[in-house]
Amino acid sequence: QKEVEQNSGPLSVPEGAIASLNCTYSDRGSQSFFWYRQYSGKSPELIMSIYSNGDKEDGRFTAQLNKASQYVSLLIRDSQPSDSATYLCAVNMGRYSTLTFGKGTMLLVSP
Amino acid sequence: EAQVTQNPRYLITVTGKKLTVTCSQNMNHEYMSWYRQDPGLGLRQIYYSMNVEVTDKGDVPEGYKVSRKEKRNFPLILESPSPNQTSLYFCASSLDAGAVYGYTFGSGTRLTVV
Repeated sequence: QKEVEQNSGPLSVPEGAIASLNCTYSDRGSQSFFWYRQYSGKSPELIMSIYSNGDKEDGRFTAQLNKASQYVSLLIRDSQPSDSATYLCAVNMGRYSTLTFGKGTMLLVSP
Repeated sequence: EAQVTQNPRYLITVTGKKLTVTCSQNMNHEYMSWYRQDPGLGLRQIYYSMNVEVTDKGDVPEGYKVSRKEKRNFPLILESPSPNQTSLYFCASSLDAGAVYGYTFGSGTRLTVV
């Protein structure tokens, strides 16, 4: 069974803090990893992708991947109330496989 | 503008009345997929299509039909809707089933079956 696990939250952080969102996956052969942001009632929006071990930074967002530990994380620096949303981790498990999504972690950033 | 367009955005219907939710993409994507999203259950895949005339079941296909007669369109058909199909539905598309490029999602269709 291919699985992607996330803590459902909510994760509450004050404005300006670093938010750390975590995701584990079951398939050691997974190749591609994505983070989506979803506001309530809206569609998921792709914010980060990562394919190699290590860190990838894009503005206030940093994705981290550790394939040996089957772990991927998303750091949001200088968190803003507008970052309050549910963050979905998605993993492509094999070259011809479709994305498997976690259930998401709700992030709440308080002013 | 590159986008995935779903219609309608909101739909209230009665049990057993056939309905179709349309999905169209203008990015020449090979791959398209349908998901439903329910509280506590996350995104669950209903059907997907790797290319024209190629479709396959996802995790929750019961009660749904799809077709892919042309690359840009991938309609979702509920031939006899039931209240347990009340949900938020998303269509998604991608160049490569998400291996490199991830998915682009439509705006969603909120379906209520009474």
